[in-house]
Amino acid sequence: SQKIEQNSEALNIQEGKTATLTCNYTNYSPAYLQWYRQDPGRGPVFLLLIRENEKEKRKERLKVTFDTTLKQSLFHITASQPADSATYLCALFGSGNTGKLIFGQGTTLQVKP
Amino acid sequence: KAGVTQTPRYLIKTRGQQVTLSCSPISGHRSVSWYQQTPGQGLQFLFEYFSETQRNKGNFPGRFSGRQFSNSRSEMNVSTLELGDSALYLCASTLTAGAYNEQFFGPGTRLTVL
Repeated sequence: SQKIEQNSEALNIQEGKTATLTCNYTNYSPAYLQWYRQDPGRGPVFLLLIRENEKEKRKERLKVTFDTTLKQSLFHITASQPADSATYLCALFGSGNTGKLIFGQGTTLQVKP
Repeated sequence: KAGVTQTPRYLIKTRGQQVTLSCSPISGHRSVSWYQQTPGQGLQFLFEYFSETQRNKGNFPGRFSGRQFSNSRSEMNVSTLELGDSALYLCASTLTAGAYNEQFFGPGTRLTVL
């Protein structure tokens, strides 16, 4: 069956370090992969989109990689700050223009000062 | 530009009742998707509407339905509420159809079923 896995355990890191979050998927052939940030009590906020033919995408302190062979995406936040503390969700878009956006369970990041 | 708005923000209902939730997309956005978020299941896709037509549907029972109006505003309805329907219901809008587009989420409606 189709599955998206993100680390269910919270990730705790020190301010200034690089946070790396993982998104693994099975039995999918996603054409697009997106990352969202969600703060408690709020809706998710779009961060980055990467296409299947792109290996890497950057936006300010954020970097996403997409390895369709390993079926994995890595999401990096460099020089992390306490304000980066949130839950990060990966979402896959399947093939076809009428595909659904499927979300992982999310990983909670805690950046300590 | 105003963001996606959802009303009401909080709702308490009892089992067996029905509920209607409303979503106003960002001005100019023509596609609206609905999601259910629970601690156990995470964010799950309910349905997507574009130009008043349902384009896609998730794996939810027929008690969950929706519609979109000509001004792109959307409503979702849940009939015969069950305890398990307690969740945060999120809507998201995009400029055009296609879930690959960046989704702009509203703040959600927190539904509690007693």
